[in-house]
Amino acid sequence: NAGVMQNPRHLVRRRGQEARLRCSPMKGHSHVYWYRQLPEEGLKFMVYLQKENIIDESGMPKERFSAEFPKEGPSILRIQQVVRGDSAAYFCASSRGTANTGELFFGEGSRLTVL
Amino acid sequence: QKEVEQDPGPLSVPEGAIVSLNCTYSNSAFQYFMWYRQYSRKGPELLMYTYSSGNKEDGRFTAQVDKSSKYISLFIRDSQPSDSATYLCAMDKDSGYALNFGKGTSLLVTP
Repeated sequence: NAGVMQNPRHLVRRRGQEARLRCSPMKGHSHVYWYRQLPEEGLKFMVYLQKENIIDESGMPKERFSAEFPKEGPSILRIQQVVRGDSAAYFCASSRGTANTGELFFGEGSRLTVL
Repeated sequence: QKEVEQDPGPLSVPEGAIVSLNCTYSNSAFQYFMWYRQYSRKGPELLMYTYSSGNKEDGRFTAQVDKSSKYISLFIRDSQPSDSATYLCAMDKDSGYALNFGKGTSLLVTP
């Protein structure tokens, strides 16, 4: 499967724990984007990364959230000290180069539930 | 007021019907307009992409953009049960990646 791979597909955490979500882009893609879909809301852009660089983090919450895309390995979205409001589906998308509109390919998402 | 408004439905139609899905928006800076289809527990997949105003047709799907009214539509002809999914509209100013999505409209096509 050459698509965008996300894991885990489902993650349950208790309040105060840490959540780590991983995303491997499509083969040949080096640009990664994270989106969040809160219940009853549309997808919201969070962050855009290239290998070892954060390009645009204008959609990231100011605290507890961080993202990285190391030289080797998947991109990771990290949420520290999770709260119930973090419960959502987190989608990763990738593109080969700088995305022109319509060139994002989405993964199947990671669904985080905070108890 | 949200930047992108979309009626969540659900919308139920019989097989073979013409389906009309719509979104309104408030930001006149949006130039790119997209429709995504999302099956349950899956990621969004791009269906149609339109720049500025006008119509675009692809098989059974037609996308329309009316920038003067800030209104976009997706029409599905000869709807099939396999079209049952959530349809998301999305818009972009010019970033290529910071898309603004509607909440999605749930569509059920019954045999």
